[in-house]
Amino acid sequence: EADIYQTPRYLVIGTGKKITLECSQTMGHDKMYWYQQDPGMELHLIHYSYGVNSTEKGDLSSESTVSRIRTEHFPLTLESARPSHTSQYLCASRLGKAGNTIYFGEGSWLTVV
Amino acid sequence: QQQVKQSPQSLIVQKGGISIINCAYENTAFDYFPWYQQFPGKGPALLIAIRPDVSEKKEGRFTISFNKSAKQFSLHIMDSQPGDSATYFCAVPNTGTASKLTFGTGTRLQVTL
Repeated sequence: EADIYQTPRYLVIGTGKKITLECSQTMGHDKMYWYQQDPGMELHLIHYSYGVNSTEKGDLSSESTVSRIRTEHFPLTLESARPSHTSQYLCASRLGKAGNTIYFGEGSWLTVV
Repeated sequence: QQQVKQSPQSLIVQKGGISIINCAYENTAFDYFPWYQQFPGKGPALLIAIRPDVSEKKEGRFTISFNKSAKQFSLHIMDSQPGDSATYFCAVPNTGTASKLTFGTGTRLQVTL
């Protein structure tokens, strides 16, 4: 069982609002990820981090930003939400050794109206 | 960018039958090859994973078969149960860094009574 937590689980906000999706893991994993997934569709990597103060853009372009000030915390921020940002955002982490698996949180469902 | 082709897109299997899902990739870092199971409203959960130096791994009713020369691997679910109804994703480690995974497009499995 993975110890990775995302809040909020569900969020409905108005266009133009700033939001932050929180992600925390208690496993001491050095690598963390954010994936975006529309319902029933594939997962797209939007951000990842190799460790503290290390963040990079993923394969899918995203207007969101991330920060990694502490090992266990990897929040994602949207400065000005738009309806096109409506999606599920999945946080994940991994211990950076070969053969170790990626663990996912339960996801944050964001709806922008 | 890594291409991962997963098939079929959807699958209906009778209870007690065998479910087979296939995944093909182009290039890989040869770290490990996982399958994830996702129920509606939940994050993906690791189901089973295989290292590329073995051709088959079995855990209970779930088996991964890996064909390195053909660049393919598959998930077999024996004695499929209604509780197995979910979306399944294969994932392939990216070349250049084994820390990132590229996911397949997903297979929606429905097990009928």
